[in-house]
Amino acid sequence: EVQLVESGGVLVKPGGSLRLSCAASGFTFSNAWMNWVRQVPGKGLEWVGRIKSKTDGGTTDYAAPVKGRFTISRDDSKDMVYLQMNSLKTDDTAVYYCSILRLKWGQGTLVTVSS
Amino acid sequence: DIVMTQTPLSLSVTPGQPASISCKSSQSLLHSDGKTYLYWYLQKPGQPPQVLIYEVSNRLSGVPDRFSGSGSGTDFTLKISRVEAEDVGVYYCMQSIQLPLTFGGGTKVEIK
Repeated sequence: EVQLVESGGVLVKPGGSLRLSCAASGFTFSNAWMNWVRQVPGKGLEWVGRIKSKTDGGTTDYAAPVKGRFTISRDDSKDMVYLQMNSLKTDDTAVYYCSILRLKWGQGTLVTVSS
Repeated sequence: DIVMTQTPLSLSVTPGQPASISCKSSQSLLHSDGKTYLYWYLQKPGQPPQVLIYEVSNRLSGVPDRFSGSGSGTDFTLKISRVEAEDVGVYYCMQSIQLPLTFGGGTKVEIK
């Protein structure tokens, strides 16, 4: 069974940093393009960014609101993908999902940015 | 950015009756590889989104066949042939032909 399990969401102050993790299982992780999508509670979905598989270059792309502040990385030896979030703003408060868009989404982890 | 517009915003359906959701994109979602990169998701209350349909009309394994997707270019439709109580939630369309990936605003389906 395909599983994605996010962790690392906490309450953090504006300007702070946080790293989210996503543990994958049940599929060939190294072949997957992994995405992060966020959702303000009660609102719609917003794509954050993605990392391609290493065979497709391993490159990353980001949405404009997070570019330069967030970094996505992967460790294929551990079947893990990460979202490093720096210079956090109150507008970054959301549930963060990792996803293989055509297959599975994780349960999400809540990040709250507040003083 | 490609704008995805879903209608209606909400839908109240009697069990056993059909339902239809429209999704229109501001640009064609047809890629040069011949595929059209339009997805449909359902987010049930308190749950993460789940994949229903990928590339316009391909049902993910395990998705009931009462769900079907159709369309081309910029106009797409998700149909539920006979709505069941478990189908309540918010339905989203999404395009992945161009960055940034963008979602429709969602259509909330409830049971009468």
